Amino acid sequence: EAQVTQNPRYLITVTGKKLTVTCSQNMNHEYMSWYRQDPGLGLRQIYYSMNVEVTDKGDVPEGYKVSRKEKRNFPLILESPSPNQTSLYFCASSLSSASNTEAFFGQGTRLTVV
Amino acid sequence: QKEVEQDPGPLSVPEGAIVSLNCTYSNSAFQYFMWYRQYSRKGPELLMYTYSSGNKEDGRFTAQVDKSSKYISLFIRDSQPSDSATYLCAMSGYRDDKIIFGKGTRLHILP
Repeated sequence: EAQVTQNPRYLITVTGKKLTVTCSQNMNHEYMSWYRQDPGLGLRQIYYSMNVEVTDKGDVPEGYKVSRKEKRNFPLILESPSPNQTSLYFCASSLSSASNTEAFFGQGTRLTVV
Repeated sequence: QKEVEQDPGPLSVPEGAIVSLNCTYSNSAFQYFMWYRQYSRKGPELLMYTYSSGNKEDGRFTAQVDKSSKYISLFIRDSQPSDSATYLCAMSGYRDDKIIFGKGTRLHILP
């Protein structure tokens, strides 16, 4: 089954404790991205990757890091999480660049930073 | 002016009614227009995709794009309780690296 898998689904952590949210896709997609979704603000792109070893900032990259060492994986790293990073996070992948192909989303990771 | 505007709702309609969801946008370079549906506690999934202006129909769903007015619509005929979800419009330009999403409209279909 074609899917984007995120882990964990739920996470509560403390301020400053480094964490990683994993994302994996099994569709051999080139393009992957991370979004955060907040009430009243909608989906905002954090980082995206056009292919292996190619990443770029989205609209809200501050406080986040990503890496793309393998085509299927695109982890999101919070080196020093803060309460304003409490949010619902989605990983998405698509066959190629975002403009004209369907984006497949993961189930989401609900992060709470206390 | 925000790039994409979408009324957050909630919009409540009785089962069987025709639903109209809309977005306006400001960037005339947008050429790809999409509607995603997001059920509670799930990720968005693509519902409809349209290139440039015109209509596209898929079962009970019809997407319309009016580029001259910078206005897109999604119509749902014979609405069902299972259509209750948040609907996000999304758009991008030719060779753009990213999709711009609306904030989503929460729709409730009342049995």
